[in-house]
Amino acid sequence: KQEVTQIPAALSVPEGENLVLNCSFTDSAIYNLQWFRQDPGKGLTSLLLIQSSQREQTSGRLNASLDKSSGRSTLYIAASQPGDSATYLCAVRGSARQLTFGSGTQLTVLP
Amino acid sequence: EAGVAQSPRYKIIEKRQSVAFWCNPISGHATLYWYQQILGQGPKLLIQFQNNGVVDDSQLPKDRFSAERLKGVDSTLKIQPAKLEDSAVYLCASSLVPRLAADTDTQYFGPGTRLTVL
Repeated sequence: KQEVTQIPAALSVPEGENLVLNCSFTDSAIYNLQWFRQDPGKGLTSLLLIQSSQREQTSGRLNASLDKSSGRSTLYIAASQPGDSATYLCAVRGSARQLTFGSGTQLTVLP
Repeated sequence: EAGVAQSPRYKIIEKRQSVAFWCNPISGHATLYWYQQILGQGPKLLIQFQNNGVVDDSQLPKDRFSAERLKGVDSTLKIQPAKLEDSAVYLCASSLVPRLAADTDTQYFGPGTRLTVL
């Protein structure tokens, strides 16, 4: 059974700092990995999707990497802003074609 | 493009009562998902529809939960009777491509229904 772990559970940083969120998964037989953002009272928004054959994806200030063999992914946020404050969720699509989510990292960017 | 709509946004009930949630996916999206998100956890898939057929309900507690997708569009999720541990946010999502070509599809999520069972 696939298990997804995200560390840290919560993170508080001052505005402008670069930061890294970590995600690990137990079964390397995945089709893709996605990073989502969840704001309070709102649904999830997909940020980046990395195919199993890819190593990284970039969108603006966000960069996600994937090391399938070691079961790890990182989300790098450059020059963080208060508007980046949210919960970031990692999810993998495995052999069952389902998304398995981690518990998320709650990020607070202080002005 | 309108997003995924869900109602109600909040619901408070007592244990052993019944409750129903409604979801309207993005127009044209073939696949619809219901997730349960308990506080402090990631979403867990309850059921997945392709058009109006169920393709995966392996994690749906079928003794109390039921779901249907009429005419391959709107969907309802029902809990009867509710238990305290059903307190959670229920998220509906939809995606464009059929399940078998799901390697690259993106799921679009609604705002969720927050259920509190007292």
